[in-house]
Amino acid sequence: DAKTTQPTSMDCAEGRAANLPCNHSTISGNEYVYWYRQIHSQGPQYIIHGLKNNETNEMASLIITEDRKSSTLILPHATLRDTAVYYCIVHHKSPNAGKSTFGDGTTLTVKP
Amino acid sequence: EAQVTQNPRYLITVTGKKLTVTCSQNMNHEYMSWYRQDPGLGLRQIYYSMNVEVTDKGDVPEGYKVSRKEKRNFPLILESPSPNQTSLYFCASSIITSGGGSTDTQYFGPGTRLTVL
Repeated sequence: DAKTTQPTSMDCAEGRAANLPCNHSTISGNEYVYWYRQIHSQGPQYIIHGLKNNETNEMASLIITEDRKSSTLILPHATLRDTAVYYCIVHHKSPNAGKSTFGDGTTLTVKP
Repeated sequence: EAQVTQNPRYLITVTGKKLTVTCSQNMNHEYMSWYRQDPGLGLRQIYYSMNVEVTDKGDVPEGYKVSRKEKRNFPLILESPSPNQTSLYFCASSIITSGGGSTDTQYFGPGTRLTVL
């Protein structure tokens, strides 16, 4: 099963772009990369997902390398409310479709 | 409002006293899952269910049971809780994509903070 590796923590200045990297070198086939974030001890919240192409929504952009072994989540204009733990995970395909592996995530601290 | 609800939100109990944490979703999702989160760590999957009467173990199933008799409910049962099960528990649900047999975006409940003395 594909596992992900993320830096433990990152800082970002308010108003600047936050770039959060994730390695998923064992990703295979049509497995999607998903990003979630968890603010304090609330339930994780979906941010964005992608397969091969770069994706953008109202919250963030996702850049996936051509070989799909890594990706970067971009928060274009970070605010203090973006301080959270960010998780990059791979959604497995059948027969392990139900398995879901969250790593320890990256703690992003946005500073004034 | 589409949501996943968990009850109770907070629970303090004693070793060996059976307890059930309920999870319910109103989105008609096929997939449901339970996670635990310990301080400073990420989520670890306990059990998951791909549909009614279909459940399977996650990474840390020891000491837990689940059942999926109805699509909307997925209770987590601790038959004989121990202090090492003190944790923050999350329930999540998702649709199952028809093409690749994968889960889609997971929607999480608010969490249940369990303390076993």
